[in-house]
Amino acid sequence: EIVMTQSPATLSVSPGETATLSCRASQSVYNNLAWYQQRPGQAPRLLIYGASTRAAGIPARFSGSGSGTDFTLTISSLQSEDFAIYYCQQYNNWPRTFGQGTMLEIK
Amino acid sequence: QVQLVESGGGLVKPGGSLRLSCAASGFSFSDYYMIWIRQVPGKGLEWISYISSTSTTMYYADSVKGRFTISRDNAKNSLYLQMNNLRAEDTAVYYCARGNYYGGHSLFDSWGQGTLVTVSS
Repeated sequence: EIVMTQSPATLSVSPGETATLSCRASQSVYNNLAWYQQRPGQAPRLLIYGASTRAAGIPARFSGSGSGTDFTLTISSLQSEDFAIYYCQQYNNWPRTFGQGTMLEIK
Repeated sequence: QVQLVESGGGLVKPGGSLRLSCAASGFSFSDYYMIWIRQVPGKGLEWISYISSTSTTMYYADSVKGRFTISRDNAKNSLYLQMNNLRAEDTAVYYCARGNYYGGHSLFDSWGQGTLVTVSS
């Protein structure tokens, strides 16, 4: 099973600034990496797939990068609705596995 | 638009059983694989089961293998999860999600709102 590790667990950033979230896989997942956003009381929403491709309807301020084992989600010009929990997920192997999440909170 | 609505959650005693349902609408259900994912309240996400579009292939997480059974009825646009021998650690919100392929990438692109299962005596 591929273990996904996200850092930091909690990130405090001011609105309008940029947040950088990290995700590391225990073995290479190539670019088979997705990012999800989960707001309180809601289901997760697909943001990024293929490590860097935005899903339909996702604003351009969300960008992803990386390949192999190290990945980054960058959110620029943070808006109030962006403060949420973010999960990375690998889909290179079964079982699909998620990171433990990064909570992005308002500073 | 794509809609997934889970039902069947509730309070059950350890060792008991529960059957979750997921009603799909807004897309051609029989064309997509489907999955169940769960989330312990306040915790992370755990994929637990997969079923192919024609029910020929199923996968399970080790944590539920032998106790849970995934199934689907394409005529009824419905996905199911039969959960037997439930344990306290199965307490979670259970989500159904649609699996889709985007240029070779296999993704969970639409999710239901979840149904809470509580296992407690």
